[in-house]
Amino acid sequence: GAVVSQHPSWVICKSGTSVKIECRSLDFQATTMFWYRQFPKQSLMLMATSNEGSKATYEQGVEKDKFLINHASLTLSTLTVTSAHPEDSSFYICSASRQGISNQPQHFGDGTRLSIL
Amino acid sequence: DAKTTQPPSMDCAEGRAANLPCNHSTISGNEYVYWYRQIHSQGPQYIIHGLKNNETNEMASLIITEDRKSSTLILPHATLRDTAVYYCIVLPNTGNQFYFGTGTSLTVIP
Repeated sequence: GAVVSQHPSWVICKSGTSVKIECRSLDFQATTMFWYRQFPKQSLMLMATSNEGSKATYEQGVEKDKFLINHASLTLSTLTVTSAHPEDSSFYICSASRQGISNQPQHFGDGTRLSIL
Repeated sequence: DAKTTQPPSMDCAEGRAANLPCNHSTISGNEYVYWYRQIHSQGPQYIIHGLKNNETNEMASLIITEDRKSSTLILPHATLRDTAVYYCIVLPNTGNQFYFGTGTSLTVIP
C-alpha cells in the first residue's frame, strides 16, 4: 500500500536552531502534501498545504516565515522550523494522497517529535 | 473547521464489536465521511471512507444513515491493538484538507 515516510522521527535541539523535517511519498506521486502539528493530548491541527512547484497555503494563525515549506518534487516536501523555541516543541506530521485521483484517502507519516531545549 | 461530533471516550471488551458513532448533521451532498485512527505517538492510520452506501473492508465496516447525518464505525472483533483515538472527518469531493476534531479514545479491555 501507499507509504509516506518522515525523517527524522525524533529531534532534540537548542533554542534558536532551525530544524528541517522531510516528508516523502514512497510509492506514489503527490502534487499536494499537508503538514500538521499536534500538542500533547490534543488533536491534529492542519498547519499548511504544500503544493508542488508553488507556494504553500498556510492556515490562519500559522506564521509562514516561521514554518518554511518547500515542495520541490512530486515525492518530497520539507518543513523547516526556523529559529525554533521551546514553544515550537510538538509532534509534526505530514500526509499525502495520490495525484490526480479523487476521493483517495490521505496517508500519514509516522510523525516527527521535535523538542527544543 | 471540524464538522463532526464524537463521544470523547469509549470502552469495549476484547473480542466484542466496537461501535463508534459520529454525528455530522451539517454534511453536504458531495462530502465523504472518512475514518482514521491514531495509536499513541504514531501518525493517523486510514481505516475506511464512504459517501452514502455502507462500506466494509478488512479492518472495519462503515454504516451511514440514510439522511447521512451520522455514521457508525464498527470494529467487528476488537483486540487490544485497536486501542487508539478514532477520528471521523468529512471531506468534500473537490477538496482534500482534513480538519480533525477531538475524536473518540477507544480503550479495549482484556
